[in-house]
Amino acid sequence: KQEVTQIPAALSVPEGENLVLNCSFTDSAIYNLQWFRQDPGKGLTSLLLIQSSQREQTSGRLNASLDKSSGRSTLYIAASQPGDSATYLCAVRPTSGTYKYIFGTGTRLKVLA
Amino acid sequence: SAVISQKPSRDICQRGTSLTIQCQVDSQVTMMFWYRQQPGQSLTLIATANQGSEATYESGFVIDKFPISRPNLTFSTLTVSNMSPEDSSIYLCSVETAGSTNYGYTFGSGTRLTVV
Repeated sequence: KQEVTQIPAALSVPEGENLVLNCSFTDSAIYNLQWFRQDPGKGLTSLLLIQSSQREQTSGRLNASLDKSSGRSTLYIAASQPGDSATYLCAVRPTSGTYKYIFGTGTRLKVLA
Repeated sequence: SAVISQKPSRDICQRGTSLTIQCQVDSQVTMMFWYRQQPGQSLTLIATANQGSEATYESGFVIDKFPISRPNLTFSTLTVSNMSPEDSSIYLCSVETAGSTNYGYTFGSGTRLTVV
């Protein structure tokens, strides 16, 4: 059974710091992995989508990497800003024929001004 | 990617009543997904809604409690019936969207439900 874990559960950093969020999954048989941002009480905003054949994706100050063999993905945020404060979720789509995404528990990020 | 309009954005409801949440997508999609996010928790899939057939519910969720409609390829509703305080959660709809080289999920803005 696929399980997705995110560490740390919460993170507080000063503005301007570069940071890394981690996502681990137990079964490497995935179709893709997606990173989302969620503001309090709101829906999810897609940040980056990495296909299983890809190693990384970049969008602005965000860079996501994928190491499928080791079951890990990282989300790198450069020059963090208070506006980056949110919960970040990763989700994987297994290749087992199901369309169901499996979500991690999230990392709550707070960037201090 | 698709744009989803979800409403209401939030509501406070009395126990024993029902609330219907609507999601409108700006393009035709085969499957729509309904999730629940309890306070401090990650997302749990409630059911998958296909147009023209009954929704497929995940373990622990039943049609009597969470009836779903899918009248066409751009619209779906989820009803939370006979609510109790344990139903207080964020409810989200989602669709899978195909880009030029990949597929991903797009979510609505969520409905924050509080049952008192």
